[in-house]
Amino acid sequence: DAGVIQSPRHEVTEMGQEVTLRCKPISGHNSLFWYRQTMMRGLELLIYFNNNVPIDDSGMPEDRFSAKMPNASFSTLKIQPSEPRDSAVYFCASSLRRDRGRETQYFGPGTRLLVL
Amino acid sequence: AQTVTQSQPEMSVQEAETVTLSCTYDTSESDYYLFWYKQPPSRQMILVIRQEAYKQQNATENRFSVNFQKAAKSFSLKISDSQLGDAAMYFCAYIKDTGRRALTFGSGTRLQVQP
Repeated sequence: DAGVIQSPRHEVTEMGQEVTLRCKPISGHNSLFWYRQTMMRGLELLIYFNNNVPIDDSGMPEDRFSAKMPNASFSTLKIQPSEPRDSAVYFCASSLRRDRGRETQYFGPGTRLLVL
Repeated sequence: AQTVTQSQPEMSVQEAETVTLSCTYDTSESDYYLFWYKQPPSRQMILVIRQEAYKQQNATENRFSVNFQKAAKSFSLKISDSQLGDAAMYFCAYIKDTGRRALTFGSGTRLQVQP
């Protein structure tokens, strides 16, 4: 089975530009997570969805960030306008939540974003 | 708030030898789950092993095993018969059973494998 798919794998953009990161979760999974990894802060959860509904976006740094999940097989994370401090690796993860807590999050390969 | 601490920024092991990576965590929850993820230079986050807090038996996956000490809030990873492909960053992670479903990660341990 294919794992979590993310695109693009690398993105270089200039400050002020819009950036859209894409994620396709593992087929059959009902939860999707967006994480960000930086040297300073490590890995942090930005937002997660359950059955395509955003559940917790308290980790989204500011209004420049937005995420959507229009269907069970696709999600986007958008940054508009982008800033140099947004440079990081962005991971998408998915899981199948059956019972309370009984789940494992599987990560995609990540998107390395560089904002100049 | 939950915290996860990995006190060894770097470790080194000879090929075919055994190495143990340390992890401690702090939580007031009684039900939770612990994980070790591996991040090779490709940056992919790969699940290595998982442990449920309610299980006393330590999890094992081939050459990887854990020593889970719930009272001490310790969760170490043992890699036996180390291979060159084991070289990577290893992250310990925690998630509680209820509430916010965010993995809390440690700062990572970089493992080098010497031929």
